[in-house]
Amino acid sequence: EAGVAQSPRYKIIEKRQSVAFWCNPISGHATLYWYQQILGQGPKLLIQFQNNGVVDDSQLPKDRFSAERLKGVDSTLKIQPAKLEDSAVYLCASSLDVREETQYFGPGTRLLVL
Amino acid sequence: AQKITQTQPGMFVQEKEAVTLDCTYDTSDPSYGLFWYKQPSSGEMIFLIYQGSYDQQNATEGRYSLNFQKARKSANLVISASQLGDSAMYFCAMRELYNQGGKLIFGQGTELSVKP
Repeated sequence: EAGVAQSPRYKIIEKRQSVAFWCNPISGHATLYWYQQILGQGPKLLIQFQNNGVVDDSQLPKDRFSAERLKGVDSTLKIQPAKLEDSAVYLCASSLDVREETQYFGPGTRLLVL
Repeated sequence: AQKITQTQPGMFVQEKEAVTLDCTYDTSDPSYGLFWYKQPSSGEMIFLIYQGSYDQQNATEGRYSLNFQKARKSANLVISASQLGDSAMYFCAMRELYNQGGKLIFGQGTELSVKP
């Protein structure tokens, strides 16, 4: 069974530029999560989707971050414009549904904002 | 208030010995789950073990076991017979079914180094 796929694996941009990350969850998983992991910390949830609907985006900085999951499968997370403090690893995870306990993570995208 | 506390920023263990990584949690939700994930230098989070709040027995998965003490709100990970490949960051996480909508809340992590 294929795992969670993410691209790109690494991205370097200058502040005020925009960037987009892509995630394809495990086949059949209805729930998709985007986490931000700043160096030296545990991951923090940015947004959670159930199919193509948003369940929780309370910690998403909506003035610069946006995410979509239009067809209920893959998802895109965008940052526009990026700030220095957005440098982090962006992890995508999926689970069968919102009641399913275990979330499976992708390899992450390492973002460096200069 | 910190929901998940991992008090050991770094731990060393000799190869083939057992090691315990500490985790305490705080919740008022009667139904919750506790998880341990491993994060090697490559960056992905690898699921290791899960314990539900109503589970009567401690969870075990191969060389991993979870020492669940509900009254003390602790969920320590025990790795038996450590291997060099166990060197990584280890994160404890909690999922509250009612209070937080099911999202995972992570601790700060413990960096484990296995010495040959």
